[in-house]
Amino acid sequence: KAGVTQTPRYLIKTRGQQVTLSCSPISGHRSVSWYQQTPGQGLQFLFEYFSETQRNKGNFPGRFSGRQFSNSRSEMNVSTLELGDSALYLCASSSPTGETQYFGPGTRLLVL
Amino acid sequence: DAKTTQPPSMDCAEGRAANLPCNHSTISGNEYVYWYRQIHSQGPQYIIHGLKNNETNEMASLIITEDRKSSTLILPHATLRDTAVYYCIVRAVNSGSARQLTFGSGTQLTVLP
Repeated sequence: KAGVTQTPRYLIKTRGQQVTLSCSPISGHRSVSWYQQTPGQGLQFLFEYFSETQRNKGNFPGRFSGRQFSNSRSEMNVSTLELGDSALYLCASSSPTGETQYFGPGTRLLVL
Repeated sequence: DAKTTQPPSMDCAEGRAANLPCNHSTISGNEYVYWYRQIHSQGPQYIIHGLKNNETNEMASLIITEDRKSSTLILPHATLRDTAVYYCIVRAVNSGSARQLTFGSGTQLTVLP
C-alpha cells in the first residue's frame, strides 16, 4: 500500500507570495492532518480534515488555510508569506480506527 | 496528553540492541504509548504503539512497565540507518485532540559502526 505523498518536496518563495501544498493520504484514510515543523518550535499542529470538513484547528493565523476533496486528498495554502513561515510542512493521514497517524515526507518551504 | 521525558541522546554499536527509555509517570488509563522516529529532514515514521501489553512488530519491540509509568523501545539489531531522533508520545486515541500530535525533544540515537 502506498504511503502518504506530498508535493512539491521543496519550494522557494519570496515574502508576500502565496503557496499551495498538496497531500494524498494512504488509500482508505479519510482523516488528514497538517503540521508545521521548525527547529525552534518543533512540531505544531495546523489543522485536521475529515470527510471534507475541518475538524480541528491549531493556533495559527488565518493566512494558513486548507481544504479536503472528496477523494480525501488535501491542500493547504499559506497567503502573504513571511520569513517565519520557512519550515517543513508535514501531512499525516490517520488509519480508519484513528489509532495511528502516518506522515508523508514533507514539503520543505523556504521563504526569502 | 501526558508529558514524556526522554534522554536527549544515546549511542549504540551497530548490530547491538538499542534500548530507548521513556518516562510518562502521569499517563492516564486511556492513553496509549506511541513511538515515532525522524531521520534528519524527513517526515516522522511510525514505529509502534501499545496500551499496557508488550508489543512487537517487524521494526521494534515496546516494553511497558506494569504501572505504565515508563516504557522502553527496543531495536533488536541496530543498523546505521536507525540513526534518528526517536519520539515517545502518549495520547488518548478516542479524544477530540487525538490527531493533534505533539513531539517533545526526543532522543537522538546515533548508531556507531
